[in-house]
Amino acid sequence: DAKTTQPTSMDCAEGRAANLPCNHSTISGNEYVYWYRQIHSQGPQYIIHGLKNNETNEMASLIITEDRKSSTLILPHATLRDTAVYYCIVSVNQAGTALIFGKGTTLSVSS
Amino acid sequence: DAGVIQSPRHEVTEMGQEVTLRCKPISGHNSLFWYRQTMMRGLELLIYFNNNVPIDDSGMPEDRFSAKMPNASFSTLKIQPSEPRDSAVYFCASSLTSRGAVNEQYFGPGTRLTVT
Repeated sequence: DAKTTQPTSMDCAEGRAANLPCNHSTISGNEYVYWYRQIHSQGPQYIIHGLKNNETNEMASLIITEDRKSSTLILPHATLRDTAVYYCIVSVNQAGTALIFGKGTTLSVSS
Repeated sequence: DAGVIQSPRHEVTEMGQEVTLRCKPISGHNSLFWYRQTMMRGLELLIYFNNNVPIDDSGMPEDRFSAKMPNASFSTLKIQPSEPRDSAVYFCASSLTSRGAVNEQYFGPGTRLTVT
């Protein structure tokens, strides 16, 4: 079973920030939070990951609460191309380790 | 880099036939993963390899499924005999295992399998 809980779906207006929440209350000390997304008919794509500090890259920002029991992925200026299923995954930060995907959040960005 | 390459992209076969899906990981990557995605069950991990060695095949649904990785640049997922419930999109992904590397998996475009 996935170790995370995400809303089934969310809507966002184009140009606005999309904030996608994730609960991971049973996360272990050595586990990271990963975010992937899957655009329709494509394979999943890595977005960002973090341990306890907030992280930012060219795609998104990741905010992790101090107790690490939840996090939020932020797409600062959503576009129509950001419409996708977003997966929040908890895993050790070791390449070659399996990722367990849950149901994810379907984000719909509209104009 | 061409990314992860999967073939065929679409496969339609009749129940009872053997199906072989192929995957070429990104050059230099030494971990390879096979996933299956359906509407009902979502994205499921079937099996993964590190340095061509199968590490965990607990996700393989039954003995009809088998996977091999004869070398670092090629893997196959075989279903024999195929059944209608095997209809799904099968994804292959690869990653680089090295000290300090991020657990970032690169996915192929998938093979859409339809078993009639």
